[in-house]
Amino acid sequence: AQSVSQHNHHVILSEAASLELGCNYSYGGTVNLFWYVQYPGQHLQLLLKYFSGDPLVKGIKGFEAELIKSKFSFNLRKPSVQWSDTAEYFCAVKRDSSYKLIFGSGTRLLVRP
Amino acid sequence: GAVVSQHPSWVICKSGTSVKIECRSLDFQATTMFWYRQFPKQSLMLMATSNEGSKATYEQGVEKDKFLINHASLTLSTLTVTSAHPEDSSFYICSASPSVESLGTQHFGDGTRLSIL
Repeated sequence: AQSVSQHNHHVILSEAASLELGCNYSYGGTVNLFWYVQYPGQHLQLLLKYFSGDPLVKGIKGFEAELIKSKFSFNLRKPSVQWSDTAEYFCAVKRDSSYKLIFGSGTRLLVRP
Repeated sequence: GAVVSQHPSWVICKSGTSVKIECRSLDFQATTMFWYRQFPKQSLMLMATSNEGSKATYEQGVEKDKFLINHASLTLSTLTVTSAHPEDSSFYICSASPSVESLGTQHFGDGTRLSIL
């Protein structure tokens, strides 16, 4: 069965530190990949998505993610985090032929000022 | 744009009662809406997919008689938890897509926290 793994459940960083959140998926076919963010008390929002083309995807608020097909990974990065990046981050995968989003368990990021 | 409103945000009720949760797309027409359930510290699990004017498609293991879904219009889908019991307590989230072509991009509601006593 298709699955998504986010190995970091909790991450604590100081402001200006660099961020990398891991995401691995288990499906070998054509996939679409997403990162969603959920700020405290708010709904899930799309940060970025990959459908095809350049494996380095740039999203909103300075986030980017890189698809490495050989590693089945789609890690999220930001060179310098801010206190306002404190949130929960979800990686999600969709098979190209399906409408279903499969979510990872999420990573809670706390950025200390 | 692409706002999805979910109501209520929090509900507490006695065991045995039925609870209805509404999901509305405020500024677009949603041909497809999705209902998810999230347990603490776990990922969102898709419960069912609803298309306007047709029966919902339930995921394996989800009781369709327990979780009634209605998608009567292009802007409204409802989830009714019938005869709710404490094990139904969870966080329920809906999302909506404006078209079949954009099913990969879903717009999420704020979620409903359901607590059954």
